[in-house]
Amino acid sequence: DQQVKQNSPSLSVQEGRISILNCDYTNSMFDYFLWYKKYPAEGPTFLISISSIKDKNEDGRFTVFLNKSAKHLSLHIVPSQPGDSAVYFCAAGTGTASKLTFGTGTRLQVTL
Amino acid sequence: DAGITQSPRHKVTETGTPVTLRCHQTENHRYMYWYRQDPGHGLRLIHYSYGVKDTDKGEVSDGYSVSRSKTEDFLLTLESATSSQTSVYFCAISPVGRGDYEQYFGPGTRLTVT
Repeated sequence: DQQVKQNSPSLSVQEGRISILNCDYTNSMFDYFLWYKKYPAEGPTFLISISSIKDKNEDGRFTVFLNKSAKHLSLHIVPSQPGDSAVYFCAAGTGTASKLTFGTGTRLQVTL
Repeated sequence: DAGITQSPRHKVTETGTPVTLRCHQTENHRYMYWYRQDPGHGLRLIHYSYGVKDTDKGEVSDGYSVSRSKTEDFLLTLESATSSQTSVYFCAISPVGRGDYEQYFGPGTRLTVT
């Protein structure tokens, strides 16, 4: 049972445009959501997070939106840069344990 | 830099042999985790620890055991490696007090079981 789903395995965006990565979840107990970025041959790096009491969190070029009623979150990257090309994982956690459930990842390619 | 190292970084082993992967942290964080990453599956939790000698299973724990005798070290053991355990293994830590959910990952160990 995949509780966190990233239905788009890949996404290609032109440099300077907006990248939108999507994530859906099924467990209504999740109350904290995170995005990680992963380059080849490296460990995932934490990018941005959002608590379920918020619907938006912004950090520079990165904004995460949370729609609790739809059980959907998205990551917006504006403007996209070639260095943003990586695999992006969304993850979710609950208040009862310090464990995260990860999605399967979306490979973003930012083209010139 | 979360001060996490993993060893070895690469290993090739034969089916049926035992394998131990090591995760070492320098910052005394309470929570440590082992994940495996496979195509089409993302990151899946194998085992985690919430203190010395305190461990619990994740979603894909069969065939794996862990030990944590010191705060800084978390060991993952494959008692008898199988080809299905060929994967990239990541260790992570969670700094208490900076958000219980944020985890920081090591560089990974690529394990091939032939």
